[in-house]
Amino acid sequence: QKEVEQDPGPLSVPEGAIVSLNCTYSNSAFQYFMWYRQYSRKGPELLMYTYSSGNKEDGRFTAQVDKSSKYISLFIRDSQPSDSATYLCAMSLSQGGSEKLVFGKGTKLTVNP
Amino acid sequence: KAGVTQTPRYLIKTRGQQVTLSCSPISGHRSVSWYQQTPGQGLQFLFEYFSETQRNKGNFPGRFSGRQFSNSRSEMNVSTLELGDSALYLCASSPRTSGGTQYFGPGTRLTVL
Repeated sequence: QKEVEQDPGPLSVPEGAIVSLNCTYSNSAFQYFMWYRQYSRKGPELLMYTYSSGNKEDGRFTAQVDKSSKYISLFIRDSQPSDSATYLCAMSLSQGGSEKLVFGKGTKLTVNP
Repeated sequence: KAGVTQTPRYLIKTRGQQVTLSCSPISGHRSVSWYQQTPGQGLQFLFEYFSETQRNKGNFPGRFSGRQFSNSRSEMNVSTLELGDSALYLCASSPRTSGGTQYFGPGTRLTVL
């Protein structure tokens, strides 16, 4: 079983739709949970960062973490064509006094005007 | 602040050659991590450096190595290149070695022919 599972999509929605992106994980040692957005031919850009169960909101984006179910979600409200990108979930794991990130494979999202 | 910079942005090599990639972290960031991104495997952790010391290493062969200099700039080296090493190599910097968010550079696209 992979440490982090993410549906690769692709996901295509009309402008204005609510988008739900999800990841599941198997390692209960993960401490921090992140969502990155990656545009084509660019590096990943940090969108949301959480460390506890519950919801965190930032503008049109809401990140949700459920540690008991080992499940994280990213919701995008009023989606825009500029949101078209690949969304990667990431989780951090402390090892030997330092930290590494474990990523999902990413979900490719297209928002159609 | 300037973001993470990586050079070169694109590189074409042939099998058996070696390559060195460079990363300059965000000013003040002492942790630098390297990742390999491929369509099949997604983003995979290579190694992390903090204060010139390798703190963590992923599951890659010894052909992949790196180092960090006293100014926090980092290089990674891949020797005896194989076709499967073709990938986007991403560098990320963080202000500390754990619990900190990672900020990615644009990556170096390596093509091995």
